[in-house]
Amino acid sequence: DVKVTQSSRYLVKRTGEKVFLECVQDMDHENMFWYRQDPGLGLRLIYFSYDVKMKEKGDIPEGYSVSREKKERFSLILESASTNQTSMYLCASSFGSGGSYEQYFGPGTRLTVT
Amino acid sequence: AQSVTQLDSQVPVFEEAPVELRCNYSSSVSVYLFWYVQYPNQGLQLLLKYLSGSTLVKGINGFEAEFNKSQTSFHLRKPSVHISDTAEYFCAVYNSGYSTLTFGKGTMLLVSP
Repeated sequence: DVKVTQSSRYLVKRTGEKVFLECVQDMDHENMFWYRQDPGLGLRLIYFSYDVKMKEKGDIPEGYSVSREKKERFSLILESASTNQTSMYLCASSFGSGGSYEQYFGPGTRLTVT
Repeated sequence: AQSVTQLDSQVPVFEEAPVELRCNYSSSVSVYLFWYVQYPNQGLQLLLKYLSGSTLVKGINGFEAEFNKSQTSFHLRKPSVHISDTAEYFCAVYNSGYSTLTFGKGTMLLVSP
C-alpha cells in the first residue's frame, strides 16, 4: 500500500511564527503536491514538485515556500504565519510520466494560526 | 488548466436510497477523470477513475460513474447508500502537461436513517 504521512495531524501556531509541515511518501513517487482545503472552496494547489530540488507554483503560492531535498520528502513552509492561513493542509504524491495519473493523499494537517 | 464543476454542495438522502453526485468538466482532447472520497478528519481516498475504454467505471464501496463526452460529465452513482457513505466527495480532472489534478469544490453526501 502506498503510504503518505504528514508530520502532524493538528498544529496551533501564533501569528508571525515560521511553520514547517512535513510530508513523506514511501512509494518512490516522482511528483509531490501541497494543497490547502477550505470549506466551500475545495482543494487548491499551493506548490508541487516533479523531482528533487524542483518546485513549481500552483494556484495559490503566496505566503508559502517549499523544499524538496530528498525524493521521498516534501516540506511546506509558512515563512510568517497569518490567521488567513488557518486551514487543512493536504500532501499528495504520484508517479511521473507513464504512471496512472492518480494522486495518493496523506491524512492532512489541520493548522490553526492564532 | 481545466476546470471542474460540482453542482451540488450538499446532497441529503435516506439510507438505502439511490444517489447521484454530479460533476461536469471543461472539454479537452483527452480527459482523465477521478472521484475521491474524504471521510471526516481524513485525507482523500480514490473511489474510481476513468482513463480510457468503457465509459462505465466501477469503483470501491459499490460506487460507479459514467463518462459522457458529449455532455462533458462524469456523474457518480450508487444504487443503495449506507450511513457509512456519509462523506465529502470530490471530482477531479487531470491536467496533462503539468501532471496536476484540478478538483471540484466537493459535494457533501449526508445519509440519514
